[in-house]
Amino acid sequence: SAVISQKPSRDICQRGTSLTIQCQVDSQVTMMFWYRQQPGQSLTLIATANQGSEATYESGFVIDKFPISRPNLTFSTLTVSNMSPEDSSIYLCSVAHTLGQGSTDTQYFGPGTRLTVL
Amino acid sequence: EDQVTQSPEALRLQEGESSSLNCSYTVSGLRGLFWYRQDPGKGPEFLFTLYSAGEEKEKERLKATLTKKESFLHITAPKPEDSATYLCAVQTSGTYKYIFGTGTRLKVLA
Repeated sequence: SAVISQKPSRDICQRGTSLTIQCQVDSQVTMMFWYRQQPGQSLTLIATANQGSEATYESGFVIDKFPISRPNLTFSTLTVSNMSPEDSSIYLCSVAHTLGQGSTDTQYFGPGTRLTVL
Repeated sequence: EDQVTQSPEALRLQEGESSSLNCSYTVSGLRGLFWYRQDPGKGPEFLFTLYSAGEEKEKERLKATLTKKESFLHITAPKPEDSATYLCAVQTSGTYKYIFGTGTRLKVLA
């Protein structure tokens, strides 16, 4: 499976500021996703990061609040904009379908970014 | 509406005490069912993929099974290091997206 890293691993931010989270994969993958996991909760899909085009957002998530970039097959960023304390969560990227091998179905997750907004 | 429910929410076992975790689902069409383990402060770690009723997968003390309405994760003779949250996710036909259950927090006592 692919090795996935995220930066930063954690951050504490002030209300009204923005944070960009990076997701780097050690191999080329077709699909990349961004999730949010609020304290004590399960994972909620924010959006699918599409290479070379705009991300596909899930209901309740909008581009102005969570802009996403995906310039190539190994890298993506998620920005949390104009943050409020309600944005305090773990943000996770996941990938599926490493080119040249295996299933398109199984997702592998990064270690997560723990965000606290004061 | 597609839905995934896990039970119990939390489970405490003595070391060596076998048990099962349940993941029941209501979806329009199942493409695959996935089990993950998540340790505190970490991302989910992939365990198993199941595609069709009757399928079983095993890894060490864990065995996952699938029926048309639910999946079980059986833990045989658990050890304290098996303590984690176990997440179930369903992928529906025609999509690559996952629907996650709320997880089962497992604590194995020495």
